Amino acid sequence: AQSVAQPEDQVNVAEGNPLTVKCTYSVSGNPYLFWYVQYPNRGLQFLLKYITGDNLVKGSYGFEAEFNKSQTSFHLKKPSALVSDSALYFCAVRASGTYKYIFGTGTRLKVLA
Amino acid sequence: NAGVTQTPKFQVLKTGQSMTLQCAQDMNHNSMYWYRQDPGMGLRLIYYSASEGTTDKGEVPNGYNVSRLNKREFSLRLESAAPSQTSVYFCASSEVPTLTYEQYFGPGTRLTVT
Repeated sequence: AQSVAQPEDQVNVAEGNPLTVKCTYSVSGNPYLFWYVQYPNRGLQFLLKYITGDNLVKGSYGFEAEFNKSQTSFHLKKPSALVSDSALYFCAVRASGTYKYIFGTGTRLKVLA
Repeated sequence: NAGVTQTPKFQVLKTGQSMTLQCAQDMNHNSMYWYRQDPGMGLRLIYYSASEGTTDKGEVPNGYNVSRLNKREFSLRLESAAPSQTSVYFCASSEVPTLTYEQYFGPGTRLTVT
């Protein structure tokens, strides 16, 4: 069965510091991995994805994520956090050959000024 | 492009009432999805439609029905609402079978069942 784990309910980081939001996954076959961001009272917005190729993927708003097959992880990172990055972040996985996406429970990121 | 639109934005129902949540996308996507979002639970898939004319159950289908009316529209029906269905409902769409694969989400419907 597919699953996604986001082990931290909340991550606090000071503005200007690097941030990491963790995600691990379990899927049969090749994984397609995604990060989404949700601002208050809004739908989810796509940030970045890993389908194949380079393990480091870059996305919107300066975010990047590193795919690590041996650790089955896909952590979201940003070199320098902004207060405006404060939001709820979701990791999702889709197994190749399927139409269903499985979402993690979300990590609330708070960037402190 | 409007992207994915959902109506209504807010709804309050009494237990036992029925309603239909509407979703439409103008991106010519093949696949459409309904999720519910509850605190601490993330997004859980209710139903999805891989392509026009097909629908399949997701993780939490009980108490819901869906209709893929055409390629653009995918509705979610609550036949007899229960307080446990109080949630925020999101519709999403995705282009298949290209390599794109990400989903595009609507703004959500906040439903309260009393």
